[in-house]
Amino acid sequence: QKEVEQNSGPLSVPEGAIASLNCTYSDRGSQSFFWYRQYSGKSPELIMFIYSNGDKEDGRFTAQLNKASQYVSLLIRDSQPSDSATYLCAVTLGAGGYNKLIFGAGTRLAVHP
Amino acid sequence: DAGVIQSPRHEVTEMGQEVTLRCKPISGHDYLFWYRQTMMRGLELLIYFNNNVPIDDSGMPEDRFSAKMPNASFSTLKIQPSEPRDSAVYFCASSGDPSEQYFGPGTRLTVT
Repeated sequence: QKEVEQNSGPLSVPEGAIASLNCTYSDRGSQSFFWYRQYSGKSPELIMFIYSNGDKEDGRFTAQLNKASQYVSLLIRDSQPSDSATYLCAVTLGAGGYNKLIFGAGTRLAVHP
Repeated sequence: DAGVIQSPRHEVTEMGQEVTLRCKPISGHDYLFWYRQTMMRGLELLIYFNNNVPIDDSGMPEDRFSAKMPNASFSTLKIQPSEPRDSAVYFCASSGDPSEQYFGPGTRLTVT
């Protein structure tokens, strides 16, 4: 079992719709959870982080964390073509592993006009 | 802030040659990370430093890879000798908070 799993996609949504990206992780001791966006040929860009169960909203983005289910998600409201990118879920490894991020393989999102 | 700076942006070399990648972290960040990204293996952590000291190098693939951080504003990742399977994009990232990492633009390495 991979430590961080994501559906590779592509996830195709129409402009203006809600895009829902999901991630599961295997280490119950993980404390911190991150979403990075990576455009083709570019470096990963941090867009959201969440440490506590529940929802965290930032503009059009909402991160959701459920530690009991070992599940973290990212919702993008009012999706725009400029949101088309690969979204990487990253998780810290272990209760004491605050420094070591394990990345999922990423989900490719395509927003079509 | 200029962000994390990496050089060169592209490197093409022949098998067996030495390759040195360079990184300047964001000023004030005391964590520095080296990653490698390939289509097959995704984004992998190679090594990270805290206050210039290597903390975890368990991701370094083999002895051909070495990394140094002689001061707070500079780090190198060296591959000697290079092999075609080392072809990848190498990212440097830095962080003031251990978990919130900011990536440089990457170095695309091609070994022929």
